[in-house]
Amino acid sequence: GENVEQHPSTLSVQEGDSAVIKCTYSDSASNYFPWYKQELGKRPQLIIDIRSNVGEKKDQRIAVTLNKTAKHFSLHITETQPEDSAVYFCAANNNAGNMLTFGGGTRLMVKP
Amino acid sequence: DSGVTQTPKHLITATGQRVTLRCSPRSGDLSVYWYQQSLDQGLQFLIQYYNGEERAKGNILERFSAQQFPDLHSELNLSSLELGDSALYFCASSVATGEGEQYFGPGTRLTVT
Repeated sequence: GENVEQHPSTLSVQEGDSAVIKCTYSDSASNYFPWYKQELGKRPQLIIDIRSNVGEKKDQRIAVTLNKTAKHFSLHITETQPEDSAVYFCAANNNAGNMLTFGGGTRLMVKP
Repeated sequence: DSGVTQTPKHLITATGQRVTLRCSPRSGDLSVYWYQQSLDQGLQFLIQYYNGEERAKGNILERFSAQQFPDLHSELNLSSLELGDSALYFCASSVATGEGEQYFGPGTRLTVT
C-alpha cells in the first residue's frame, strides 16, 4: 500500500520567515495530494491540495509543489505568522483513489 | 465549520465496554471516512463507506465495525475496549469516492479507563 513520509517532524521559525515541509510517497499511481492544518484539539482543516496534472499551486501565502518523477511534494508557507503555528499533515491517495494515507505530521512553531 | 457533525464530543468508558460513535456528513456528500488519531500521533485510516456500501478498509481492528445508513449518516462501533483504544476518532466526508477533498468533523475523544 501507499507509504507517506513527512519531514521535519518539528519546525521552529521566526515570524516573517518561510517554512517548508516535505513529503515523499511510494505509490506512483497516487494523483491527489492534500495538506491539512490541525490546531491543538481541533479537526484537521484542508488548506491546499494539488493534483498530479500540475506541478505547483498557490493560495496567498501558501504554495504546494509536486514532483511526480521523484514522488515528492512540498508545502511552502511564506511570511509566517504566529497563527500559522499548528501541526501540518500531508497525504496522498491510493491507487484506487478512495483513501488517503497521511504523513506523520510536522509541528510548526512560529515565534513572534 | 466543515459541515460534518460528530457525536458525542467526549466519551469516557471502561475497558471491555462497547461504544458507538456517530457521524453526519456534509449535505450532498456520499462518502464517509473514519480515522483514528492517538495522542501525538498521525491520522490512521480505518474504513470508508460510499452511499451505504463499504468501499475501503485500512488498519481497522476486528473489534471495530462501521456502517452507513440510508440517510448517509455513519456509525463506528468499538467493542471490547482496551486502554490503547483511547484516541480521537474523526469522521470525514467527500462528495464522491476518488481524489475528492475530504472534510473532517470535530472528532470524538474517547477515553478508556
